[in-house]
Amino acid sequence: QLQLQESGPGLVKPSETLSLTCTVSGGSISDSFYYWGWIRQPPGQRLDWIGSISYRGNTDLKPSLKSRVSMSVDTSKNQVSLNLSSVTAADTAVYYCVRHLNSLAWFDLWGQGTLVTVSS
Amino acid sequence: DIQMTQSPSSLSASVGDRVTITCRASQNIRTYLNWYQQKPGTAPQVLIYAASTLQIGVPSRFSGSGSGTDFTLTISSLQPEDFATYYCQQSYNNPTFGGGTKVDIK
Repeated sequence: QLQLQESGPGLVKPSETLSLTCTVSGGSISDSFYYWGWIRQPPGQRLDWIGSISYRGNTDLKPSLKSRVSMSVDTSKNQVSLNLSSVTAADTAVYYCVRHLNSLAWFDLWGQGTLVTVSS
Repeated sequence: DIQMTQSPSSLSASVGDRVTITCRASQNIRTYLNWYQQKPGTAPQVLIYAASTLQIGVPSRFSGSGSGTDFTLTISSLQPEDFATYYCQQSYNNPTFGGGTKVDIK
């Protein structure tokens, strides 16, 4: 059974870069049918899609975050990574790793989420 | 961005009640509309995709309808495990989510 697990620092200082990794277990990230994405949820707020990446490295990023976001895939480790630069308190959120079939599809598999707090 | 507006933002209901949640998109999204359920401290789970298709394993008391800009999620007979927050999400262009509807016990 395919599972997603987020990992990374729970505390990041303002102006620094938030870095998270999603490890896929029980299956291959190279399954060409799927995209792998990141969604965040600030406390008490709505879900916010950040972007998605295919196993080939093709990315689709939220326009308002594009200048601060980078994503990568490491097929040898079955991992997807997220970097969000120049963070502020507004980036404090639970970050979820997700899977979806294509850019028009629903998010059918979610990781458990990891809370990242931006604070000095 | 396509704006998604859900109503109501919260509702109180009893076990056995019929519950209806609406979602409106700021532009035509055809049937690229999905519904999720989220319980406290857990990740959302998809209930319905493509406006009206039930995800495998989801009880048949859940149903979805609509197209264009107006959509509805209906729970035909609310069960204790259905008390949660529900979100709509458009997948037509750069995914965006509604603000959520919290369903709690009356």
